[in-house]
Amino acid sequence: NAGVTQTPKFQVLKTGQSMTLQCAQDMNHNSMYWYRQDPGMGLRLIYYSASEGTTDKGEVPNGYNVSRLNKREFSLRLESAAPSQTSVYFCASIGDWHSGNTIYFGEGSWLTVV
Amino acid sequence: GENVEQHPSTLSVQEGDSAVIKCTYSDSASNYFPWYKQELGKRPQLIIDIRSNVGEKKDQRIAVTLNKTAKHFSLHITETQPEDSAVYFCAASSTGRRALTFGSGTRLQVQP
Repeated sequence: NAGVTQTPKFQVLKTGQSMTLQCAQDMNHNSMYWYRQDPGMGLRLIYYSASEGTTDKGEVPNGYNVSRLNKREFSLRLESAAPSQTSVYFCASIGDWHSGNTIYFGEGSWLTVV
Repeated sequence: GENVEQHPSTLSVQEGDSAVIKCTYSDSASNYFPWYKQELGKRPQLIIDIRSNVGEKKDQRIAVTLNKTAKHFSLHITETQPEDSAVYFCAASSTGRRALTFGSGTRLQVQP
């Protein structure tokens, strides 16, 4: 049982390049999330998917797109990377908000845009 | 949307002392309040959470209190140890919103 798996763990991009962060969970969770964490700050929600087939914007969606490929996978795409997108990205998932479940985070993806 | 404010941003205590971190939230519909501990370079780890139907919850040296009327909740760590040194985040969510909003974090340093 791997939990929440993110790839890649580290990436350096040039301004204007595109890339996709991959996230997969093996806990049969309904909801999945992408957060970013900048130095000395809390986590800010980029996008989330409450269930398979749905996606919604969070606090800071500009410059990003997401795809809920199936129940297990939720990817985050940067179409044209900017230095302001240098951050640590965390994927997370939860089974059911009503039943007292816990949010599980992936290990994080460190992205640097130069 | 929800706004969560967290204080203090840094906290230094002597080993064995208590530490208290406070958060306020804005959305009266919020009903779930977890606390996370994050060590350098690691993912946030849940340490304790509370739901709006209770006012206090304890787990060994850690406790959380919730005041729904005032819309604030606090983390209490007693008998602090050097391994408690980390950044602590509060968060809030509601059944309807289904996403956590985080505070800005408190860096706790426990001096041996």
